[in-house]
Amino acid sequence: AQSVTQPDIHITVSEGASLELRCNYSYGATPYLFWYVQSPGQGLQLLLKYFSGDTLVQGIKGFEAEFKRSQSSFNLRKPSVHWSDAAEYFCAVIDRGSTLGRLYFGRGTQLTVWP
Amino acid sequence: EPEVTQTPSHQVTQMGQEVILRCVPISNHLYFYWYRQILGQKVEFLVSFYNNEISEKSEIFDDQFSVERPDGSNFTLKIRSTKLEDSAMYFCASSPQTGRVGELFFGEGSRLTVL
Repeated sequence: AQSVTQPDIHITVSEGASLELRCNYSYGATPYLFWYVQSPGQGLQLLLKYFSGDTLVQGIKGFEAEFKRSQSSFNLRKPSVHWSDAAEYFCAVIDRGSTLGRLYFGRGTQLTVWP
Repeated sequence: EPEVTQTPSHQVTQMGQEVILRCVPISNHLYFYWYRQILGQKVEFLVSFYNNEISEKSEIFDDQFSVERPDGSNFTLKIRSTKLEDSAMYFCASSPQTGRVGELFFGEGSRLTVL
């Protein structure tokens, strides 16, 4: 069965520090991979996605993620965090054979940014 | 920027009552979804809807649930007889076309509390 693991429930970083949020997946074949963010009072917003090709993908708001097949991981990174990045971050996967939007989400990682 | 809107933002109901959650997807989108998140748990897929019919539903989406697109703009989720375990945040989402698999636009959510 599909499984997405985000091992960190809560991460706290100082503004300006670098950030890495971890995501591992368990799947029969490499799925499509996504990171979504939910800021307070808002819906989930797509940050970036990986379908194929270059394993380092760039997203919005200065985020990037690296797909590592050998580790079944898709970790999200940002070199310098801003206070406005405080939010909950969700890793998600979807079956490559899917034509629709049945995403499987991780539990989410809550990011707190100290000034 | 167009967005998905949901009403109500919060509804409190008694067990056994019917609840209708409403969503207005982005106007030119073709695919519509409902997801939910029970407090402390993962965001879970409920149902997808395309061309005026259900495309896929999860095991959660039993006979107590139904969806409808009664006019050209609204997309509703009805829970016929609510149970305590239906308490959750319900997210509506839409996506424009098949080629953008997994790229969903989410609303802010409707929090349902069943007493």
